[in-house]
Amino acid sequence: AQSVSQHNHHVILSEAASLELGCNYSYGGTVNLFWYVQYPGQHLQLLLKYFSGDPLVKGIKGFEAEFIKSKFSFNLRKPSVQWSDTAEYFCAVEGNTDKLIFGTGTRLQVFP
Amino acid sequence: DVKVTQSSRYLVKRTGEKVFLECVQDMDHENMFWYRQDPGLGLRLIYFSYDVKMKEKGDIPEGYSVSREKKERFSLILESASTNQTSMYLCASRPRDRGTDTQYFGPGTRLTVL
Repeated sequence: AQSVSQHNHHVILSEAASLELGCNYSYGGTVNLFWYVQYPGQHLQLLLKYFSGDPLVKGIKGFEAEFIKSKFSFNLRKPSVQWSDTAEYFCAVEGNTDKLIFGTGTRLQVFP
Repeated sequence: DVKVTQSSRYLVKRTGEKVFLECVQDMDHENMFWYRQDPGLGLRLIYFSYDVKMKEKGDIPEGYSVSREKKERFSLILESASTNQTSMYLCASRPRDRGTDTQYFGPGTRLTVL
């Protein structure tokens, strides 16, 4: 069965610090990969997605993620976080069905 | 822009009540989904539907049922609400021809069962 692991449950950073959130999945076939973000009181929004091609994917608000097939990973990065990046971040994987499998989420708190 | 709307943002019900959560999408998507979101557990799929009157169980269907009578509307039903169904419920939709599209989520309904 497919599964997604997000190793960081809660991350606390100061503004301007660099961010990397880990995401690993288990699935042997071709996958589509996603990062979603949920800002406080708001609905889930797509941050970025990978379907094929360049494994380095750029999303909104300066976020990027790198697909490393050999490591089954899709880590999210941002070189310099802002207070407004405080949110919960979810990694999700889609295999050969229409079902999205989500990780348990990482809560990011950024302090000014 | 795709719009997925859910009938209530907050709902409080009593144990044993029958609860209906409604979801409507305006982009003629074939696929619709119901998830519940709980702290530390992420999103878990309850049920999904590929078309009108079609439904498939997700990972945690126990205690829930669904109804899809019209393409734009997907209802989640708690036949007899229990306190362990207190949660945030999210609806999503997606076109059948996935391409590079993804699921679009509604704002969620926070259900409290007393």
